[in-house]
Amino acid sequence: GAVVSQHPSWVICKSGTSVKIECRSLDFQATTMFWYRQFPKQSLMLMATSNEGSKATYEQGVEKDKFLINHASLTLSTLTVTSAHPEDSSFYICSLHGTGGGTDTQYFGPGTRLTVL
Amino acid sequence: KQEVTQIPAALSVPEGENLVLNCSFTDSAIYNLQWFRQDPGKGLTSLLLIQSSQREQTSGRLNASLDKSSGRSTLYIAASQPGDSATYLCAVKGNTPLVFGKGTRLSVIA
Repeated sequence: GAVVSQHPSWVICKSGTSVKIECRSLDFQATTMFWYRQFPKQSLMLMATSNEGSKATYEQGVEKDKFLINHASLTLSTLTVTSAHPEDSSFYICSLHGTGGGTDTQYFGPGTRLTVL
Repeated sequence: KQEVTQIPAALSVPEGENLVLNCSFTDSAIYNLQWFRQDPGKGLTSLLLIQSSQREQTSGRLNASLDKSSGRSTLYIAASQPGDSATYLCAVKGNTPLVFGKGTRLSVIA
């Protein structure tokens, strides 16, 4: 399967600052990437779908102006949390879509733990 | 809208027991179903993927079954070990990205 990396693996920031999270596909060209968010003891919830070269599609209730997604290449998507607040503290996981071997599947990054003080 | 439910939410068993985790989904029009493992504070590890045309998949001590028509899947863990302690997530793939259940937190006591 594809190898997906995320950077940073964890970040602590002050309220009001912006944080950028990178998601890289190391061995796979991903036209579509997904961003999920997981609050403590909750499931993964899809935030947005990122398509290379076009605007991201956001799920209902996710503020597109707060969570900026850029998918500038087939191997890199970034999520920027603007003016972060404590309620944005969460585990953010990216995933890329693959159809190798006839299987429609998703490959996941290791996640980024964001803590906003 | 697809909804995925996992029962039980938490489970504690003594080492060596066989156990079953349950997953149900509301829309049977799926392409596949996946079981993941998540350790505390960590990412996801894919355990088993079952295509919609398949009934079950096995990997080592793990066996996952799928009954698409009834919207159910089970994950069977044989001879549980303390190292199996983790949260197990069920996720279904339809025309949307993977939709996840809330998971079952498993504790295997030595």
